[in-house]
Amino acid sequence: QVQLVESGGGVVQPGRSLRLSCAASGFSFSNSGMHWVRQAPGKGLEWVAVMSYDGRNKYYVDSVKGRVTISRDNSRNRVYLQMNSLRGEDTAVYYCVKDDEVKLRRGYYYYMDVWGKGTTVTVSS
Amino acid sequence: SYELTQPPSVSVSPGQTASITCSGDKLGDKYVCWYQQKPGQSPVLVIYQDTMRPSGIPERFSGSNSGNTATLTIRGTQAMDEADYYCQAWDSSTAIFGGGTKLTVL
Repeated sequence: QVQLVESGGGVVQPGRSLRLSCAASGFSFSNSGMHWVRQAPGKGLEWVAVMSYDGRNKYYVDSVKGRVTISRDNSRNRVYLQMNSLRGEDTAVYYCVKDDEVKLRRGYYYYMDVWGKGTTVTVSS
Repeated sequence: SYELTQPPSVSVSPGQTASITCSGDKLGDKYVCWYQQKPGQSPVLVIYQDTMRPSGIPERFSGSNSGNTATLTIRGTQAMDEADYYCQAWDSSTAIFGGGTKLTVL
């Protein structure tokens, strides 16, 4: 079955960096786009970033642009989120999410279908 | 920037029909997903592409999307359906989530 296991979270001081990792199994990783979505304590879901199956395309939410980089290693079935210049508002549970797609008449529709259990990032001095 | 608006809470009696709305400008021109999140758990996809149910999701869950409003409908609501529900759509290569709706079954 599809499994996504996040790691790398922890307590970090403002301004420091952290690298999250997500180990994927149970599906064709190299054919799937991968996302990171976060959820601040007691708050709703916020999409952070996505990377296409081949790593060519990546998109970010405005609030993290320039500070966060998504990457992947298809040989290791892993996706990463490098977070720099961390702020208090980055405190959240970070979920790794697998993509799936529907072929349309023109192009594809992509949706997030399976979520990991998340890893917690706390930014605090 | 694009926004999706959901009511903060919806209440329903067991066995009745619950409707959760998600509003956005010309939302009917986009595809909508719905996610269910129970306390302490990760979100679970319950509807994608407006109306499609992933395998394993009960038939009592259905979705629709037209005009400026998408709706998640749960028929014969059960106690186990009590959860937070989030709608999601894409806008200019950015995934947008609604603020979430807490469904209470009482």
